[in-house]
Amino acid sequence: RKEVEQDPGPFNVPEGATVAFNCTYSNSASQSFFWYRQDCRKEPKLLMSVYSSGNEDGRFTAQLNRASQYISLLIRDSKLSDSATYLCVVNQGWTSGTYKYIFGTGTRLKVLA
Amino acid sequence: DVKVTQSSRYLVKRTGEKVFLECVQDMDHENMFWYRQDPGLGLRLIYFSYDVKMKEKGDIPEGYSVSREKKERFSLILESASTNQTSMYLCASSLGSPLHFGNGTRLTVT
Repeated sequence: RKEVEQDPGPFNVPEGATVAFNCTYSNSASQSFFWYRQDCRKEPKLLMSVYSSGNEDGRFTAQLNRASQYISLLIRDSKLSDSATYLCVVNQGWTSGTYKYIFGTGTRLKVLA
Repeated sequence: DVKVTQSSRYLVKRTGEKVFLECVQDMDHENMFWYRQDPGLGLRLIYFSYDVKMKEKGDIPEGYSVSREKKERFSLILESASTNQTSMYLCASSLGSPLHFGNGTRLTVT
């Protein structure tokens, strides 16, 4: 089982739709969680950190469920510019001599006109 | 805003060449990382550094070495480039929380 799993998609949604992605992680001792956005052939960019209480940034809402070991990202009122790959990143802290970040392979979103 | 700068956006090298990839960050971050990203495999950690002259191997260090002589600079060295090292290389830095990535170097080894 992968340490961090995401549905690769693609999720094809019309403009204005609401779309949600989930990401599951296997290590219950994981410390912090993030969503990154990556455009084709570009670097990942931090979209938002994910807090236990849930957090919102405009059209984007992130949630963490520690009991079930998953995080989610909800995008409301999708825009064409939201088309990208969304990476789930889990920080396991200092583990075996390294500061360990585990990456999902990403969920691809296409917003259609 | 954190700025992480990688020296080259695109590089083409020949098999057997020694290749240097440079990364500089401007936020006094202690932790710096080198990853490679390949389709279907995601990001994989090559090396990590938590201080000047300190380095730790990541998941795939074979064929690579690193140098961190100054806090702001972390270099990745391919001692003898091979075609299986064709990839997107991403440098990142952090102060213990989110990673901040450079804009990547797309390396092709022919």
